[in-house]
Amino acid sequence: GAVVSQHPSRVICKSGTSVKIECRSLDFQATTMFWYRQFPKQSLMLMATSNEGSKATYEQGVEKDKFLINHASLTLSTLTVTSAHPEDSSFYICSARGQMALRNTEAFFGQGTRLTVV
Amino acid sequence: GNSVTQMEGPVTLSEEAFLTINCTYTATGYPSLFWYVQYPGEGLQLLLKATKADDKGSNKGFEATYRKETTSFHLEKGSVQVSDSAVYFCALSDQGGKLIFGQGTELSVKP
Repeated sequence: GAVVSQHPSRVICKSGTSVKIECRSLDFQATTMFWYRQFPKQSLMLMATSNEGSKATYEQGVEKDKFLINHASLTLSTLTVTSAHPEDSSFYICSARGQMALRNTEAFFGQGTRLTVV
Repeated sequence: GNSVTQMEGPVTLSEEAFLTINCTYTATGYPSLFWYVQYPGEGLQLLLKATKADDKGSNKGFEATYRKETTSFHLEKGSVQVSDSAVYFCALSDQGGKLIFGQGTELSVKP
């Protein structure tokens, strides 16, 4: 299957600082990328959907100003957690769908980023 | 709205036992259905999928059949191994490509 690389895999930051997470599709062009958040022992919750060149669409309850998503190219989307606080500590996962993907086919997932805010 | 419900875990089995993890869904239209696996500390990996009714997805000894009449996509494996210990997520994909996940089922296989 297609490869999606997410970086960094782990990051520890101080409270009040910002952290950027990158999601890259390595061997296909991703017109749509999704960002999910997973709390310990829980399922994945969709945070936002981003389409290349346009603003991200956020799910209800997700703060747009706190979780900045940029999808500037067909191979890269970034999630920036601004002014991070301990409650933002979580496992963040991206997924990407290709330009030629049929509807209802799978998205490919990055390996995830474990964010710890201290 | 669309939703996915999985059987609660954790599920603990002995090696070589038979595995079933139940998954039912609610959806409008004709979603695709997936099983993802997450090993400790890692991201999600697609295990298998089915895109239409009566399709059977299979991989690594795991199988699941898309049952439209019962809105189910139960995961089965005839003989589990210790290395199958992980969290398994059932999911459906809506028309826009979003994945909606079940709550996950933790499987622990003992030698």
